[in-house]
Amino acid sequence: RKEVEQDPGPFNVPEGATVAFNCTYSNSASQSFFWYRQDCRKEPKLLMSVYSSGNEDGRFTAQLNRASQYISLLIRDSKLSDSATYLCVVTTNNAGNMLTFGGGTRLMVKP
Amino acid sequence: EADIYQTPRYLVIGTGKKITLECSQTMGHDKMYWYQQDPGMELHLIHYSYGVNSTEKGDLSSESTVSRIRTEHFPLTLESARPSHTSQYLCASSEYRGQLGGGKLFFGSGTQLSVL
Repeated sequence: RKEVEQDPGPFNVPEGATVAFNCTYSNSASQSFFWYRQDCRKEPKLLMSVYSSGNEDGRFTAQLNRASQYISLLIRDSKLSDSATYLCVVTTNNAGNMLTFGGGTRLMVKP
Repeated sequence: EADIYQTPRYLVIGTGKKITLECSQTMGHDKMYWYQQDPGMELHLIHYSYGVNSTEKGDLSSESTVSRIRTEHFPLTLESARPSHTSQYLCASSEYRGQLGGGKLFFGSGTQLSVL
């Protein structure tokens, strides 16, 4: 079983739709959680950190559920420019605090 | 924008050649990483470093080697390139924050390597 798992998608949604992705992690000692965005043939870029109380940044809302060991990303009012792969990243409290990337969820927003 | 640079952006070479992929960052970050990614596939960590003179192997077995003689420089070398090495190589850096972790990675634009 992978440490960090994501549904690869693709999620095909119309403009204006609300879409949500989940990411599950297997290590209960995981400390920090992040969502990255990666456009086709580009490098990943940090989208937002995920805090225990949940956090929002414009149309994006991230939530953490430690009991069920998953994090979520909600995108409201989808734009064409939101089309990308969304990567879940988890750090674990071990030597070096290594980051583990999920395989990514691909989102396609259609006109 | 992040101050981390990779060269070359694209490289096409023949089998058996020795190559070095360059990565430099000007942010003073202690931790640096090399990832390998095929199109549409997930990132695989191949090497990382905590700082000068520190190098570690990542999750994915790789025939490449790295060095960290200076904080800002983390080159990756393939002694004898093969077609199976064809992939995108992404360099990244972050602040090392000990127990606090450090999830904010800054990535370079990548090197697309094709070995014929």
